[in-house]
Amino acid sequence: EPEVTQTPSHQVTQMGQEVILRCVPISNHLYFYWYRQILGQKVEFLVSFYNNEISEKSEIFDDQFSVERPDGSNFTLKIRSTKLEDSAMYFCASRGQGAMGEKLFFGSGTQLSVL
Amino acid sequence: TQLLEQSPQFLSIQEGENLTVYCNSSSVFSSLQWYRQEPGEGPVLLVTVVTGGEVKKLKRLTFQFGDARKDSSLHITAAQPGDTGLYLCAGAGQAGTALIFGKGTTLSVSS
Repeated sequence: EPEVTQTPSHQVTQMGQEVILRCVPISNHLYFYWYRQILGQKVEFLVSFYNNEISEKSEIFDDQFSVERPDGSNFTLKIRSTKLEDSAMYFCASRGQGAMGEKLFFGSGTQLSVL
Repeated sequence: TQLLEQSPQFLSIQEGENLTVYCNSSSVFSSLQWYRQEPGEGPVLLVTVVTGGEVKKLKRLTFQFGDARKDSSLHITAAQPGDTGLYLCAGAGQAGTALIFGKGTTLSVSS
């Protein structure tokens, strides 16, 4: 089965530093998402991306966050100045263009630790 | 803000027992999905329900979508240790909008 690939699997950074989390969605998919999961808490939606622009974002996705699809394969999440509370598992997901309830494929996540 | 409440939060049972976990909301969802998540991994889709009252079966797992499309349940028959994991429900408010997740039910099945 095709996979969503995320790198790195773990990222440790100092507070205030910029981080870029990378994702390679499934090749023929058109919708891309970032979610995060703080330890012990629920999976939270951050942003969705379609047709080279943000289609939806949550309150969490403030000015410190940005997403980019720099080429035909990568989808990145940048956090400009990390805060302690940004520590979480960040999941990338993608899906094809289909009917309601189209399957969402998740990557294995990047565990971000902000010190 | 749409919220999904899952219950129970934790469930510990013996192999062979039956169990039901619930996913409830005051909001209507266009579709609802159930995922299973293993430690250190992303959620993996189990099933999608779309029509009110819909029932889907996946081996020993039975999923039901409420008539009003506000709630759902997952029933596992004769649970096995391999069923251990975090079960998440997630709903989409409208077609194509982002999924909103519940906090999940952590299931532990011991032999």
